[in-house]
Amino acid sequence: GQNIDQPTEMTATEGAIVQINCTYQTSGFNGLFWYQQHAGEAPTFLSYNVLDGLEEKGRFSSFLSRSKGYSYLLLKELQMKDSASYLCAVLDSNYQLIWGAGTKLIIKP
Amino acid sequence: IAGITQAPTSQILAAGRRMTLRCTQDMRHNAMYWYRQDLGLGLRLIHYSNTAGTTGKGEVPDGYSVSRANTDDFPLTLASAVPSQTSVYFCASSDTSGGATDTQYFGPGTRLTVL
Repeated sequence: GQNIDQPTEMTATEGAIVQINCTYQTSGFNGLFWYQQHAGEAPTFLSYNVLDGLEEKGRFSSFLSRSKGYSYLLLKELQMKDSASYLCAVLDSNYQLIWGAGTKLIIKP
Repeated sequence: IAGITQAPTSQILAAGRRMTLRCTQDMRHNAMYWYRQDLGLGLRLIHYSNTAGTTGKGEVPDGYSVSRANTDDFPLTLASAVPSQTSVYFCASSDTSGGATDTQYFGPGTRLTVL
């Protein structure tokens, strides 16, 4: 079966750095997405990786290793507004998005 | 309209009633999707449509039906609602030209409670 694993919850301190990991086993791979979802709101797109390596976008970076079935989202200079759930999703061989259950990130002052 | 809209925002429904959730996008995206999101389970695909006139079943299609008469609209119908269909429903769309254009953009969601 297809599976996406992420930690359920993480806690970090304002101003610090946090890394949210995602491992996947899917039938085929056509890219990996990270989304942010604030409580009570819709998911919003953060990043897309299809090649191995690091993609940097401001305070957020996303890394992919296809051979290891592994990705992480790195958030720097954490702000209180970064408190949200972060969803990892993989586009499989049928171009269907397979979603992880999400990681709830709690930022403390 | 900018992006994707959904209606209603929330609804309380008696079991056994029929309900249609509306979704409209103005981005001229080819593909549209309906998800439900339940605590601890993440997003689960109900139905999808790769282009106007075609639909397909997702992971949890039972009890739901969809239609795609045109590019912009993708309504989701619950023929006879049951309490297990209590959830938050998200509609999404994507261009599906390949690569990053497969990025899905989400509507604000409909919170449905079936009693």
